[in-house]
Amino acid sequence: GEDVEQSLFLSVREGDSSVINCTYTDSSSTYLYWYKQEPGAGLQLLTYIFSNMDMKQDQRLTVLLNKKDKHLSLRIADTQTGDSAIYFCAEPDSWGKLQFGAGTQVVVTP
Amino acid sequence: SQTIHQWPATLVQPVGSPLSLECTVEGTSNPNLYWYRQAAGRGLQLLFYSVGIGQISSEVPQNLSASRPQDRQFILSSKKLLLSDSGFYLCAWSEVSGVGEQYFGPGTRLTVT
Repeated sequence: GEDVEQSLFLSVREGDSSVINCTYTDSSSTYLYWYKQEPGAGLQLLTYIFSNMDMKQDQRLTVLLNKKDKHLSLRIADTQTGDSAIYFCAEPDSWGKLQFGAGTQVVVTP
Repeated sequence: SQTIHQWPATLVQPVGSPLSLECTVEGTSNPNLYWYRQAAGRGLQLLFYSVGIGQISSEVPQNLSASRPQDRQFILSSKKLLLSDSGFYLCAWSEVSGVGEQYFGPGTRLTVT
């Protein structure tokens, strides 16, 4: 089967940058997504990147895409305590349904 | 703007009891609808998806079923709950003509005792 892979845990100090990495499987994916899940809540779409882009920046968020290596990363600048959450990357399968990684739990320490 | 609702927010049910979780979407027409389960291990498992009224696709064999009686209503059911049905159930929708992104509801925490 296809697996989207992520590291499971990241600890970062408040004010530092966080980098969350993801490896996806299908080089023909048109869009790739990052979601955020706060405790006890649903997933919130953070950002997405079109496959013909290398980078997308949105305020404190920067998404980098390396299609050759099928590697996607999310950088959060000036990480705040409110950024503590689980972050999921996702890619569409051949039917258009999203395949999610297992999620990276980000813990921000003061 | 579009909104998605799920209820109840939390539920504690004994083994063998029936289940009905409801999801409704407002502000859009003919959405694709999805049910996911998120176990304690964090990953999301797609249970069912629907591209229209009465059209349900099941991703995994299980003790659950889904129905879509109206365009923006998606129901997850079980006749007899098992302990392994405990988890966090998430409903999501996407636009047929969108870029594939899904929008999630707030979830239902189900504990089977």
